Amino acid sequence: ETGVTQTPRHLVMGMTNKKSLKCEQHLGHNAMYWYKQSAKKPLELMFVYNFKEQTENNSVPSRFSPECPNSSHLFLHLHTLQPEDSALYLCASSQESLIDRNNSPLHFGNGTRLTVT
Amino acid sequence: QKEVEQDPGPLSVPEGAIVSLNCTYSNSAFQYFMWYRQYSRKGPELLMYTYSSGNKEDGRFTAQVDKSSKYISLFIRDSQPSDSATYLCAMSGSGGGADGLTFGKGTHLIIQP
Repeated sequence: ETGVTQTPRHLVMGMTNKKSLKCEQHLGHNAMYWYKQSAKKPLELMFVYNFKEQTENNSVPSRFSPECPNSSHLFLHLHTLQPEDSALYLCASSQESLIDRNNSPLHFGNGTRLTVT
Repeated sequence: QKEVEQDPGPLSVPEGAIVSLNCTYSNSAFQYFMWYRQYSRKGPELLMYTYSSGNKEDGRFTAQVDKSSKYISLFIRDSQPSDSATYLCAMSGSGGGADGLTFGKGTHLIIQP
């Protein structure tokens, strides 16, 4: 048990579908993240939510839409995806310091394996 | 030049061998260095977390940072088949979170029984 739970574990969707990925963290952290992991490439940061506010989106296409209703839950809404969006989508959380930059390392969930057909 | 270079492998060694995994980097502002282990069909889990230069040991694992050479290593002693996984190095200029956190591509390690 990682303390960060992602559902579903696997998802196959067509290019015209709309689906959502869900992440829940049980660690009491105040920051959550979406990462994309593709074969032979480094982890790519997609979205950052710090204290429930989005602080970074790294020029992610608008077909990916994040939602963070509270500090424990994070969603990634998907619509009109492309086959090249097939990847492992990882959620992570950390505890960000309000005072200095002494923040905790990231804790990851087990990911959602997304296949776009 | 990529910010973090890591040989993707696969690296295959016999059980009991000492394993050396490495990353090089170009950004001299990096001060925090991490190693994550990722098993197949799982997310990355934090293995080692170090600050600045020096060594840190935890059981069979030793993390080594040489900032002058911009080179970090992870050593695994008495390697076991259960150590077979992908090992990701990561580094940042701040203490944690995703602020400026840069990952290597990962090295796929196979320990042969």
